[in-house]
Amino acid sequence: GIQVEQSPPDLILQEGANSTLRCNFSDSVNNLQWFHQNPWGQLINLFYIPSGTKQNGRLSATTVATERYSLLYISSSQTTDSGVYFCAVDRFGNEKLTFGTGTRLTIIP
Amino acid sequence: DAGITQSPRYKITETGRQVTLMCHQTWSHSYMFWYRQDLGHGLRLIYYSAAADITDKGEVPDGYVVSRSKTENFPLTLESATRSQTSVYFCASSRDRVGEQYFGPGTRLTVT
Repeated sequence: GIQVEQSPPDLILQEGANSTLRCNFSDSVNNLQWFHQNPWGQLINLFYIPSGTKQNGRLSATTVATERYSLLYISSSQTTDSGVYFCAVDRFGNEKLTFGTGTRLTIIP
Repeated sequence: DAGITQSPRYKITETGRQVTLMCHQTWSHSYMFWYRQDLGHGLRLIYYSAAADITDKGEVPDGYVVSRSKTENFPLTLESATRSQTSVYFCASSRDRVGEQYFGPGTRLTVT
């Protein structure tokens, strides 16, 4: 099956800092989504981004499908950004998302 | 707008018992999914459904049964619970095959 690798596995930042999270995948995809799992366990869909760039407030994401990676940018981090960020992908002809192992982000006040 | 709900939120059961986890969505999404989340394994797909009466296996289907008689409901049954099925279970839905997935709040299941 498709392999999804996320880096870094852990990231600790001061409030106000910027961060870049990376997702590499091993095959062509027609579906890529970024999720945030907050400290209470809720999974929130951040972006549906199989290609191109999207922005939503302080968050933005870019997927370069031809090079098989996606980046999630968080600017001016807040403590509420803490949690685990997952990338999930779906190959062409498939109907199932494969999740990466996540990046755990901790924002210190 | 209720979205997607799961019940119960917490469940403790004994080995060998049958237990059913419920999932309900109010968006009329075609696709529904069941995942389990375990430390060291991330999120893994158990079963999914493309529409009422259409279900298919995911990555880890053994020991689980699903049904989907109505579009809005997608129950997951553990026919004879085992300790290895202790996990957090998430239900999700999406409008179409490659659409955004929206997750329920999860059910924490402990099998003793």
